[in-house]
Amino acid sequence: TQLLEQSPQFLSIQEGENLTVYCNSSSVFSSLQWYRQEPGEGPVLLVTVVTGGEVKKLKRLTFQFGDARKDSSLHITAAQPGDTGLYLCADANFGNEKLTFGTGTRLTIIP
Amino acid sequence: GAGVSQSPSNKVTEKGKDVELRCDPISGHTALYWYRQSLGQGLEFLIYFQGNSAPDKSGLPSDRFSAERTGGSVSTLTIQRTQQEDSAVYLCASSFFPQGGTDTQYFGPGTRLTVL
Repeated sequence: TQLLEQSPQFLSIQEGENLTVYCNSSSVFSSLQWYRQEPGEGPVLLVTVVTGGEVKKLKRLTFQFGDARKDSSLHITAAQPGDTGLYLCADANFGNEKLTFGTGTRLTIIP
Repeated sequence: GAGVSQSPSNKVTEKGKDVELRCDPISGHTALYWYRQSLGQGLEFLIYFQGNSAPDKSGLPSDRFSAERTGGSVSTLTIQRTQQEDSAVYLCASSFFPQGGTDTQYFGPGTRLTVL
């Protein structure tokens, strides 16, 4: 059974600071997805990465996929209160359709 | 357009009672998924429907859990004889499933189930 560990579990920082959160898998990802979930809502897909070493940018968010496709990081530059939420990584298990989610990082940005 | 909707948004029930949770997927999406999110277990897969194929029930935690999808659209997740450990947020997602591939899963807001 694939285990996806995310760190840190909780992170609280001031607005304007930079931060990085991590996702590590016990096995190679089929493809890696990052989601953000706000209170009372379902997760919303931020990005999908497939190729080892791939880097994707989404405005102030930078996603990096490890060369061995077993780990990933999400870096946020100049964090804003709107970035607050639960960040989840997931293996999309292409061909299997089920998402396997990580343990999550709960991020709070203090104005 | 309209997203995935779920009802009720909150459900409080007594231990031993049966509950039904409803999911309305995005129109035209052929795949429908149920997940459960709890403090202890995180977000975990329960069951998956794709078109007219037999559902993948491999994530259902016990035979007290069942789900059906009528007419390839609306789905109902039923939990019989609820237990306190069933307390969680139940999330539904749907996706368009093109031939030979999959698409983004879009999640509903969830149903928060509390078993007293």
